[in-house]
Amino acid sequence: AQKITQTQPGMFVQEKEAVTLDCTYDTSDPSYGLFWYKQPSSGEMIFLIYQGSYDQQNATEGRYSLNFQKARKSANLVISASQLGDSAMYFCAMLTGGFKTIFGAGTRLFVKA
Amino acid sequence: DGGITQSPKYLFRKEGQNVTLSCEQNLNHDAMYWYRQDPGQGLRLIYYSQIVNDFQKGDIAEGYSVSREKKESFPLTVTSAQKNPTAFYLCASSTHGNSGNTIYFGEGSWLTVV
Repeated sequence: AQKITQTQPGMFVQEKEAVTLDCTYDTSDPSYGLFWYKQPSSGEMIFLIYQGSYDQQNATEGRYSLNFQKARKSANLVISASQLGDSAMYFCAMLTGGFKTIFGAGTRLFVKA
Repeated sequence: DGGITQSPKYLFRKEGQNVTLSCEQNLNHDAMYWYRQDPGQGLRLIYYSQIVNDFQKGDIAEGYSVSREKKESFPLTVTSAQKNPTAFYLCASSTHGNSGNTIYFGEGSWLTVV
């Protein structure tokens, strides 16, 4: 079965520090994509970063990086130098079998000043 | 500006009524999706469409219907058969590119049954 698991319902981080949000996945497909989205209180879903299953290097986008460990089936999001505006829900997602993307339950991140 | 437009942002429905949520995209994306999100929960796929005049059920299609008559439009009807329709509804679209089939979302529609 295809599944995304986020085990951290909530996380706190001090402003300017780095934080890691955990994500594990399960799929039998050899080809898949992994994504992270940010959802602020307004509700919109903002695409952050993508990692393909065949990509050799970990994806990075500005302060976001994806720590992809294929053997462990994990795709953790690392946010460096946290800012107050990073406070939001974060969702890990996986695309398999073409067009269908499934989402984890999310992690709420609180950044403290 | 290119993007995905959902309307209305807020909608109230009386029990027993059907309502239709609009979704329009000008990104020239082939695929479109509808997700439902309950408070504090993740997203669940209702329906998706890869091309015009074709769509597939997602994980929670019961009580919903869609159409895809134009590439740009993918409206969702919440029927009276949907027993618990109060939720946040997100429309999305995607196309194959450098980031795989990355999904981009509209701003969402809040539906409340009164």
